[in-house]
Amino acid sequence: DVKVTQSSRYLVKRTGEKVFLECVQDMDHENMFWYRQDPGLGLRLIYFSYDVKMKEKGDIPEGYSVSREKKERFSLILESASTNQTSMYLCASRGPDRRIQYFGAGTRLSVL
Amino acid sequence: RKEVEQDPGPFNVPEGATVAFNCTYSNSASQSFFWYRQDCRKEPKLLMSVYSSGNEDGRFTAQLNRASQYISLLIRDSKLSDSATYLCVVNMGEGNKLTFGTGTQLKVEL
Repeated sequence: DVKVTQSSRYLVKRTGEKVFLECVQDMDHENMFWYRQDPGLGLRLIYFSYDVKMKEKGDIPEGYSVSREKKERFSLILESASTNQTSMYLCASRGPDRRIQYFGAGTRLSVL
Repeated sequence: RKEVEQDPGPFNVPEGATVAFNCTYSNSASQSFFWYRQDCRKEPKLLMSVYSSGNEDGRFTAQLNRASQYISLLIRDSKLSDSATYLCVVNMGEGNKLTFGTGTQLKVEL
């Protein structure tokens, strides 16, 4: 079974803090993704990575950066958290079967 | 216009009912189509792919209409456990990216 693990289920941060969201997958997948999910807006792609040290902007990259130093780990960074970044963040990975993205359980981030 | 559009619902149906959801997509060059299911406070999971000729998986039937740019999901003999949000997902041909609809909420009641 593919396992995608996000380091925190719930996180509360203050405006201006630097925030790291970590995601690890155990299936040697090349492709990894970060989404945020908001009511009425659905899942929106922030960044994705198709290999180590490779990254591409998704639809809403502003205010975020990512790091992929190892194949199994894809980190999302909020350089200076703002209240409009309060959201559910979902990490996903994809292997050779391009139909399926495996999601982590999500991190619910509140920025106060 | 949203790239992938769904009626948010909720659809409230009695157990045993047949229910259908539609989803429209804007990009005629879209290549592949899926339905994902998301339970409350859980992550999305692939329910089924949608093939041009239509396909069935038990009580679930998916159809694609390329001319009208919509896909559908039909659930027969609804169960309480079918209660979830159903996400329409489209690969619009932009490499690795999937575009998700906002989801249609289904509530199956006794």
